[in-house]
Amino acid sequence: ETGVTQTPRHLVMGMTNKKSLKCEQHLGHNAMYWYKQSAKKPLELMFVYNFKEQTENNSVPSRFSPECPNSSHLFLHLHTLQPEDSALYLCASSQWTDSTDTQYFGPGTRLTVL
Amino acid sequence: AQKVTQAQTEISVVEKEDVTLDCVYETRDTTYYLFWYKQPPSGELVFLIRRNSFDEQNEISGRYSWNFQKSTSSFNFTITASQVVDSAVYFCALRYAGNMLTFGGGTRLMVKP
Repeated sequence: ETGVTQTPRHLVMGMTNKKSLKCEQHLGHNAMYWYKQSAKKPLELMFVYNFKEQTENNSVPSRFSPECPNSSHLFLHLHTLQPEDSALYLCASSQWTDSTDTQYFGPGTRLTVL
Repeated sequence: AQKVTQAQTEISVVEKEDVTLDCVYETRDTTYYLFWYKQPPSGELVFLIRRNSFDEQNEISGRYSWNFQKSTSSFNFTITASQVVDSAVYFCALRYAGNMLTFGGGTRLMVKP
């Protein structure tokens, strides 16, 4: 596997379910990100992990819970979601430096909340 | 505050036409980075280019070219001789605060055969 992978690619869940999204990067990076892309809003940054430490939580509701066990893996745990949480969730990774980092994205998980 | 504006929400062209996607940004930082990404129907954002604020040289990569003008805070993207495979949503982004990106709303480009 190369680049950034995400599983599952599609997920349908009820409002009372608990599920997790997984992201894995094979680029040797030390920073990982979760973004939300919904139909009517620009890409929104949700969480940032730098060297496994969460450095940004962009006012995300607590029903979204990130986990970064190591610099290669990132999870987004979901519980009691709302229909408005239906969106494309994108994971990205980068090398955290002062100047030369570029974020590389995975293919996303298309989430539908019923 | 950081802001990126892509005024064109949707553009439709016929194959082989040239097309320019506009990007205007706002920042108070003196050092910043601008990016363009392509999002095909598969969903993945594909990195196209990074430009730092000290380098105003235009760049060309095959059929793609970028025009960075600090005086007008613009970073426009031109596709020459467009092809159907260029159909996608294109995002302009501005990097701030370490490595956060703020994205424009995207421009959907449709290239018809």
